Amino acid sequence: EVQLVESGGGLVQPGRSLRLSCAASGFTFDNYAMHWVRQAPGRGLEWVSGISWNSASIGYADSVKGRFTISRDNAKNSLYLQMNSLRAEDTALYYCAKDGGGSGSRTYNLDYWGQGTLVTVSS
Amino acid sequence: DIQMTQSPSSLSASVGDRVTITCRASQTISSYLNWYQQKPGKAPKLLIYAAFSLQSGVPSRFSGSGSGTDFTLTISSLQPEDFATYYCQQSYSTPPTFGQGTKVDIK
Repeated sequence: EVQLVESGGGLVQPGRSLRLSCAASGFTFDNYAMHWVRQAPGRGLEWVSGISWNSASIGYADSVKGRFTISRDNAKNSLYLQMNSLRAEDTALYYCAKDGGGSGSRTYNLDYWGQGTLVTVSS
Repeated sequence: DIQMTQSPSSLSASVGDRVTITCRASQTISSYLNWYQQKPGKAPKLLIYAAFSLQSGVPSRFSGSGSGTDFTLTISSLQPEDFATYYCQQSYSTPPTFGQGTKVDIK
């Protein structure tokens, strides 16, 4: 059974940093691209960042480019999101999601999601 | 970025109704269109990928159609567990973008 468990969220002041983690199990982690998607309270879904199976290809939404860094550790079956210079508008539930493409391809078909970790940016 | 526009934003329907939700892309995306279902307090769930392919385990009352810029999600006979918010998402280019969502509630 595929499981994605996010952690690391919390209350943080504007301008500070936070690191999110996602522990994956139930599939061959290093075969798949992975993504972070966020959802502000009462709002829709926004893709934040994605990373290929081997970390060679990385993408970011314009809203976080230059402030957030995605990474992965295939030996630990883990995905990370380093968030710096946080703003109030970054307040959201952050989901880790698995890409449905196999054999290293990236399809943006997000076939499994974690339950999310809440990040609140406020003074 | 490609903009995705869903209609309606919300609808009320009864169990057994046929429900149709539309999604329009701001430019052609071929068949690179996914549909997700999200229930309150839960993570989104992939229903349809590549415009019309049913994700494993998803009931056959869900179907998708369309290509280019105009797409449709159809629920052939609405069940109590289908009351949720539905999102389309283009997977044609980076960044992948979502529609604003369509909330389906009980009439």
